[in-house]
Amino acid sequence: NAGVTQTPKFQVLKTGQSMTLQCAQDMNHEYMSWYRQDPGMGLRLIHYSVGAGITDQGEVPNGYNVSRSTTEDFPLRLLSAAPSQTSVYFCASSSYNYGYTFGSGTRLTVV
Amino acid sequence: AQKITQTQPGMFVQEKEAVTLDCTYDTSDQSYGLFWYKQPSSGEMIFLIYQGSYDEQNATEGRYSLNFQKARKSANLVISASQLGDSAMYFCAMREGGFKTIFGAGTRLFVKA
Repeated sequence: NAGVTQTPKFQVLKTGQSMTLQCAQDMNHEYMSWYRQDPGMGLRLIHYSVGAGITDQGEVPNGYNVSRSTTEDFPLRLLSAAPSQTSVYFCASSSYNYGYTFGSGTRLTVV
Repeated sequence: AQKITQTQPGMFVQEKEAVTLDCTYDTSDQSYGLFWYKQPSSGEMIFLIYQGSYDEQNATEGRYSLNFQKARKSANLVISASQLGDSAMYFCAMREGGFKTIFGAGTRLFVKA
């Protein structure tokens, strides 16, 4: 089915480890973003992209890197995991002047 | 600075009645978009409705309408004829011209039978 695919769905990391959260969309959307959602809170923007080769920082970019080498893929890298990065991570994509299609989320726990 | 405010942490509504969820925003851009999303207890995020800053008419999508008051910088969501399945978190979001999209803190809606 068309949409946004995030992997993995669950992950436990040790403090200091690095990992990449994968995000892929097959709708040819120009715009992609990463958000984190902490318990009982709204979504905070980490990084976003308006097209292949173009990325920019959001509200909470520290500790995360992104790249956008293709229209379809937008991976999020955690450089050195910290307990404060325990959260649910959502990837989303959209075309201009339309709402996001969200992935199902990655639940990350850093111990 | 780009900012979204939802002042109602929780709301109750009787089934079949209408409810309004408040959202105010702040931006210096002339071109922007306003969105509402629903997050059921399952955790998925569902896009509901969009309003562009240059749209003169309020957006409607089925039982959802967006009450857009540009001068007041408000973009309230109106849900008509509430159903039990409408119980969820609702988030207001704003996209500025550069595509950066931020979300409000959300309002939890409880629909009573």
